Amino acid sequence: SQTIHQWPATLVQPVGSPLSLECTVEGTSNPNLYWYRQAAGRGLQLLFYSVGIGQISSEVPQNLSASRPQDRQFILSSKKLLLSDSGFYLCAWKGGFPGELFFGEGSRLTVL
Amino acid sequence: AQSVTQLDSQVPVFEEAPVELRCNYSSSVSVYLFWYVQYPNQGLQLLLKYLSGSTLVESINGFEAEFNKSQTSFHLRKPSVHISDTAEYFCAVSVRNRDDKIIFGKGTRLHILP
Repeated sequence: SQTIHQWPATLVQPVGSPLSLECTVEGTSNPNLYWYRQAAGRGLQLLFYSVGIGQISSEVPQNLSASRPQDRQFILSSKKLLLSDSGFYLCAWKGGFPGELFFGEGSRLTVL
Repeated sequence: AQSVTQLDSQVPVFEEAPVELRCNYSSSVSVYLFWYVQYPNQGLQLLLKYLSGSTLVESINGFEAEFNKSQTSFHLRKPSVHISDTAEYFCAVSVRNRDDKIIFGKGTRLHILP
């Protein structure tokens, strides 16, 4: 069966520090992968999605970036965090049916 | 571009009462529509979906949603809610036959009152 892992689960970082959130999927090959951010009052915002290795689509201009170095690995990064980057970050992979997303447990980021 | 509007950020309802969570979408092309649910301290999971065919779709736990093309709506309903339905509900949309990008609404928090 397929599983998705995200880490770290919780992160507290100072403003201006770098960020790296990692997501890996097991049990499937060449999945579409997604990063969403859930912030209070803003719902679920699509940040990046990837349809294959090295292929990244960015949805929101910001100081975040994403990379897909391997088929089942998706990384969210920042060189310098802002206070507004605080939120709950969710990684997901897309199953065989339209719109069928499977989400990880999320990474809660607090920028101080 | 597609967008989803969930006008109600919170909906309080008494246990065993009916509930409707509203969702409207905007798109110039045909779409797929979805409802996801997020229980407290958990990730999101798919509740139900409309792809084609019958405009009324149902979930295994008693929720239903109806696709209304003329009103561009996909409201979620349940005739009698239970305390276990306490969660946040997200409506989502993707373009038919090009559904790599899935856009979510801001969510509606369903609060069940005893």
